[in-house]
Amino acid sequence: AQSVSQHNHHVILSEAASLELGCNYSYGGTVNLFWYVQYPGQHLQLLLKYFSGDPLVKGIKGFEAEFIKSKFSFNLRKPSVQWSDTAEYFCAVNPTGGGNKLTFGTGTQLKVEL
Amino acid sequence: EPEVTQTPSHQVTQMGQEVILRCVPISNHLYFYWYRQILGQKVEFLVSFYNNEISEKSEIFDDQFSVERPDGSNFTLKIRSTKLEDSAMYFCASSEYRGEQFFGPGTRLTVL
Repeated sequence: AQSVSQHNHHVILSEAASLELGCNYSYGGTVNLFWYVQYPGQHLQLLLKYFSGDPLVKGIKGFEAEFIKSKFSFNLRKPSVQWSDTAEYFCAVNPTGGGNKLTFGTGTQLKVEL
Repeated sequence: EPEVTQTPSHQVTQMGQEVILRCVPISNHLYFYWYRQILGQKVEFLVSFYNNEISEKSEIFDDQFSVERPDGSNFTLKIRSTKLEDSAMYFCASSEYRGEQFFGPGTRLTVL
């Protein structure tokens, strides 16, 4: 069975600081990888996804993530955060060619201070 | 932009009662899902549905749960006899194909 670990549960940053949120997964085969964001009071929205190809993927709102297969990692980055990035961030995986169920990490609560 | 909708936004029920949570997936999507998130815990997969049948379910999805697509637009999750531990946020999602899933705003279920 697959599992996802997000090691940073709470992160507090000042505006303009750089962000990196860790995500590691455990699964014996190939996976699709996702980062979802949940802004306060809103539903889960897709930030970016990786299916295949270039391991550096760019998403919405200036976010990017890098898939490092050897490390089973898919870390989320943003060079300069804004107050409006305050939200909860979830990493998720599902196996390629298999069932569609998404396995989520526990989430990282990001607070950006002015 | 098309979106997944869910009703009600908040449901309060007594233990042992039946509840039905409703979802309207994006119209051209073929795969439908239910997830739940107990307060302070991770989002957990419950069930996926394709071609009018369950394609995958988790161990959480026991005989108390059922899903249905009663017409061409709605997708429902029924809990027959609610327990206190069923209190959670329930998210519906849909996808056009295997891959990106679009989530609804969720229904907060409170079992008293």
